Amino acid sequence: DIQMTQSPSSLSASVGDRVTITCRASQSISTYLNWYQQKPGKAPTILIYAASSLQSGVPSRFSGSGSGTDFTLTISSLQPEDFATYYCQQSYSTLTWTFGQGTKVEIK
Amino acid sequence: QVQLQESGPGLVKPSETLSLTCTVSGASISGYHCSWIRQPAGKGLEWIGRMYTTGSTTYNPSLKSRLTMSVDTSKNQFSLNLSSVTAADTAVYYCARVHNYGGGVRAFDIWGQGTMVTVSS
Repeated sequence: DIQMTQSPSSLSASVGDRVTITCRASQSISTYLNWYQQKPGKAPTILIYAASSLQSGVPSRFSGSGSGTDFTLTISSLQPEDFATYYCQQSYSTLTWTFGQGTKVEIK
Repeated sequence: QVQLQESGPGLVKPSETLSLTCTVSGASISGYHCSWIRQPAGKGLEWIGRMYTTGSTTYNPSLKSRLTMSVDTSKNQFSLNLSSVTAADTAVYYCARVHNYGGGVRAFDIWGQGTMVTVSS
C-alpha cells in the first residue's frame, strides 16, 4: 500500500497568516493527489484535485503544488472559516486509496 | 443538485453484520463510481472500498475478508455490508461520489453527511 504522511500534525496560526501543509507519499504518485478540508461534525469537502487544480467554488487563497512524492497545500491568507483539519489523499493506486493522517489548523 | 445520504442502524452488536445504504438523489447513478470511507471518533479518514454501477468493486485489503458492496440501480442506492464487527469498527461512515476529472484523475467530490455506527452489546 502507498502510505501518505502529512506534516505537521497540527499547527497554530493567526488570521492573515500564510499556512503550508506538506504531504509525502511512500512512492511516486505522479500528481494523483487530492486535498480535503473537514470542519468539526461535518463531512470533508474537496479543495484541490490532481495536486494543483482548484475545485470549482473553492477560494483562490487555497493552492496546491507538487508531484512525485512531495506535495504542498498552501493557504495564502488564513481566514476564520479556514480553521479545520486538512487531509491529503492519493488516487494513484489501482487498488487501495489512502489518506494522510490529517493536519489540524488551530487559532493562535 | 446531487446529494448522497447514508442510512442504517446506529447500533450493531459485536460479531454481527453492519449494513448501510447510500441513497443518491438528484441524478441517476448509472455510470456512477462510489466509495465508502469511515472515521473513528477523533481520528482520521480510512478508505473502505469503491464500487461502480457495473458491479466492479475494489476493497481495502485490511477489510476485504469481511466486506461486501452492492448496488441497486432501480433504487439509486449503493450498499455496504461489514461482517463480524468489533468495537474497532465503531465510526462515522461516509459514502462519497468518485468524480473522474479526466486523464485518470479521480477524487471524492460529493460526500454524504455521514452516519454514526456504534458496535456494542
